[in-house]
Amino acid sequence: SQQGEEDPQALSIQEGENATMNCSYKTSINNLQWYRQNSGRGLVHLILIRSNEREKHSGRLRVTLDTSKKSSSLLITASRAADTASYFCATERSGGYNKLIFGAGTRLAVHP
Amino acid sequence: DTAVSQTPKYLVTQMGNDKSIKCEQNLGHDTMYWYKQDSKKFLKIMFSYNNKELIINETVPNRFSPKSPDKAHLNLHINSLELGDSAVYFCASSQEVGAAYNEQFFGPGTRLTVL
Repeated sequence: SQQGEEDPQALSIQEGENATMNCSYKTSINNLQWYRQNSGRGLVHLILIRSNEREKHSGRLRVTLDTSKKSSSLLITASRAADTASYFCATERSGGYNKLIFGAGTRLAVHP
Repeated sequence: DTAVSQTPKYLVTQMGNDKSIKCEQNLGHDTMYWYKQDSKKFLKIMFSYNNKELIINETVPNRFSPKSPDKAHLNLHINSLELGDSAVYFCASSQEVGAAYNEQFFGPGTRLTVL
């Protein structure tokens, strides 16, 4: 069954604005990861947050994790047209042999 | 240098045929994966190998058979192709099972179209 579910499914913003995507999951996890997929390409890892962490930053990315609510959010600040892509959250369960369960993704369009 | 490579990039074939997709990683990783991404972009794991040993085998028809000749290669053979097999197949790799940081590196994908 699908573990992660993102919302919104699609997001359209102007360059310079912030983009926030949310992810919910159902079971206990070891970590949660965010990936980006440009059209016609493979996925690229963005950031990993462990279950005992609450917030993590990487450049213009900020990820939060609330294990009590089983949810995470990805914030992209000062967005650029090059950020246009699909963003996926993926969860790894404890003892799960690195098995990632992906959500359906959020399609982000950043307009110049 | 391509970290995770797949061949072919596109594969168009008739129903009932048998085809293979190859994957190679030059990252020195122990673990490799196959994922299927459907037309709605939903990505689902199919198989995983750790150092040539099968460790994840999801509910996948047995027409799909992965083969890992060494830890740098993981191939996917599909027998008796069906229309529903049309999808993009991604190979990925990661350091090792149980590693502290389990980032996965993905290949560019193979778009399979079954006619």
